[in-house]
Amino acid sequence: GAVVSQHPSRVICKSGTSVKIECRSLDFQATTMFWYRQFPKQSLMLMATSNEGSKATYEQGVEKDKFLINHASLTLSTLTVTSAHPEDSSFYICSVGLAGPDTQYFGPGTRLTVL
Amino acid sequence: EDQVTQSPEALRLQEGESSSLNCSYTVSGLRGLFWYRQDPGKGPEFLFTLYSAGEEKEKERLKATLTKKESFLHITAPKPEDSATYLCAVQGATRGADGLTFGKGTHLIIQP
Repeated sequence: GAVVSQHPSRVICKSGTSVKIECRSLDFQATTMFWYRQFPKQSLMLMATSNEGSKATYEQGVEKDKFLINHASLTLSTLTVTSAHPEDSSFYICSVGLAGPDTQYFGPGTRLTVL
Repeated sequence: EDQVTQSPEALRLQEGESSSLNCSYTVSGLRGLFWYRQDPGKGPEFLFTLYSAGEEKEKERLKATLTKKESFLHITAPKPEDSATYLCAVQGATRGADGLTFGKGTHLIIQP
């Protein structure tokens, strides 16, 4: 399967600041990456689909101006949480999907805490 | 809308005590059902993909099965290192670009 890394693993920021999270596919060129969010004891919820070279597709209820996604290369997607607030504190996880109805491989996640 | 319900929410077993975890799903056009293992503070680790009713897959002490309405993850003679949260997810025809819908998971504890 694909090997996926995320950076940073943990970040603490003040309310109102912006935070960038990187997701890298280390051994697979991914035209599509996915961003999920997981609150404590809750399901992973799909936030958006990141498409290389084009605009991301956001799930209903996810603010595209708040969660900026850039997929500039086949191995890197970034998620920027703009003007972060305490309610944005969560575990953010990216995944890489092979073509078609197939398995997604997940990164180790980024724990965001907004004070 | 795709839905996934996992039961039980939590399960405590003695080492060697076999059991099954349930994943009930509602999806328009199942393209795939996935089982993942998640350790605390980590991303999900892939276990199995099932595509059609009647399919079964095995890996060490784990066996996943699929019907038209549910999937089971059978754990045979578990060991303490099998303790984790087990997640079930589906990929349906109506969700664009292959995104997954997850259940809340079953938190499994294996006591020595």
